[in-house]
Parts: sequence; structure tokens; C-alpha cells
Amino acid sequence: NAGVTQTPKFQVLKTGQSMTLQCAQDMNHEYMSWYRQDPGMGLRLIHYSVGAGITDQGEVPNGYNVSRSTTEDFPLRLLSAAPSQTSVYFCASSSHSSTEAFFGQGTRLTVV
Amino acid sequence: SQKIEQNSEALNIQEGKTATLTCNYTNYSPAYLQWYRQDPGRGPVFLLLIRENEKEKRKERLKVTFDTTLKQSLFHITASQPADSATYLCALDHPQGGYNKLIFGAGTRLAVHP
Repeated sequence: NAGVTQTPKFQVLKTGQSMTLQCAQDMNHEYMSWYRQDPGMGLRLIHYSVGAGITDQGEVPNGYNVSRSTTEDFPLRLLSAAPSQTSVYFCASSSHSSTEAFFGQGTRLTVV
Repeated sequence: SQKIEQNSEALNIQEGKTATLTCNYTNYSPAYLQWYRQDPGRGPVFLLLIRENEKEKRKERLKVTFDTTLKQSLFHITASQPADSATYLCALDHPQGGYNKLIFGAGTRLAVHP
């Protein structure tokens, strides 16, 4: 049982580059979300989705785009990376926002 | 907006003692509150969920209380062990824009010493 799979695990980008962080889940969950985690800040919600075709902004959405074309996949796009986006990114899925969330292993992103 | 506060200072306790972690929230009263454990370099792992109409929930050595009047949840680990050392996060669902969002506190690091 794979659960939530994130790729890549590590990434270094130059300022201005773009990239997509991948997230896939095999539990048929409707609710998926992206968080970033910075020291002392905890997990902050970037974007979330309540089902295929439906996305909404979280607490810190600027500089990030998402789409949800299938139930399984929820990619996070950085259009023009900035050093302030250096962080650890976690993808999570659950059957509902108020039920147990399953997290991926995280992507450690460094923007230089 | 919703604010979740957890003690940012690490909690250091002796093995065998009970660890008690606090989660306070403001503005909105959630229908559910959750606790997660996070180890270094890993994603958070779900531990317990408690509903607003439940005062207390137990799972093995873990106990969670939920006081909607005080807007506070307490998380207890009894007979603590060094393996319980980790960061513990509380989370709650927050409605906004027609959908509920799951938002987290910053977490409290627990260190259990032999």
C-alpha cells in the first residue's frame, strides 16, 4: 500500500526557475492538500482540493499553482522560484478535511 | 482568522512520567481536533481525533481532552518512553469559502530522557 507518494525528495533550483512537485495517492481520497514547513512556523497550508476539478487557496498561496485533473494526482507548480520558497513541502490526503490525513515523505526544496 | 497556539518550547521529561502538551485555539470552535506525531525528516503521522461533543479520547498510552469552553485540547502520554520523543502537532478543520481547511499548530517538541 503506497499511500501518498511525493517526488522528488530533494531539489535545488536557481532563482527564476520553474518546477512541479508531484503528489499521488492511491486511497481514492477526495481531499488533498499542500503544506510548507519552515522552522518555528509549523505546517502552513498552500493550496487544497476537495475533489477533481476543485481547488482553493490556503494561507500562503502566492507563487504557487495547483490543478486537480484526477482524484489521484495533485501537483504543485512553482512558476518562478524565489529564495523565500526554500522549505520542506508536504502533500497530504484524506477522505474529508476533518478526518485522518495521510502525509507524504516530503520534498526538501532549496532555491539559490 | 483561526489561530492555533502550541508551546514552542521543548518539553523535557523523565522516562515513566506523564507528558502533557497543550493546544489552544481562537476565533472559531472546530467540530474536530486532531493530534499528529512528526519525527525528524518525516511527514506527520495521525494519532488521535476528538469531536466537539467528546470530552476525552484514549488510545493505549495516549489521552486527549477537548474543552470547547476554554478552546483548549490537552494531549497526554502516560508512562512515557524515549521512543515517544518527537514533535507533536495539533490540527483542526476550519471552514472558509465554502470548504473546510485542515490547519496546524507549530508543534511542541517532546524529549523523554532515560
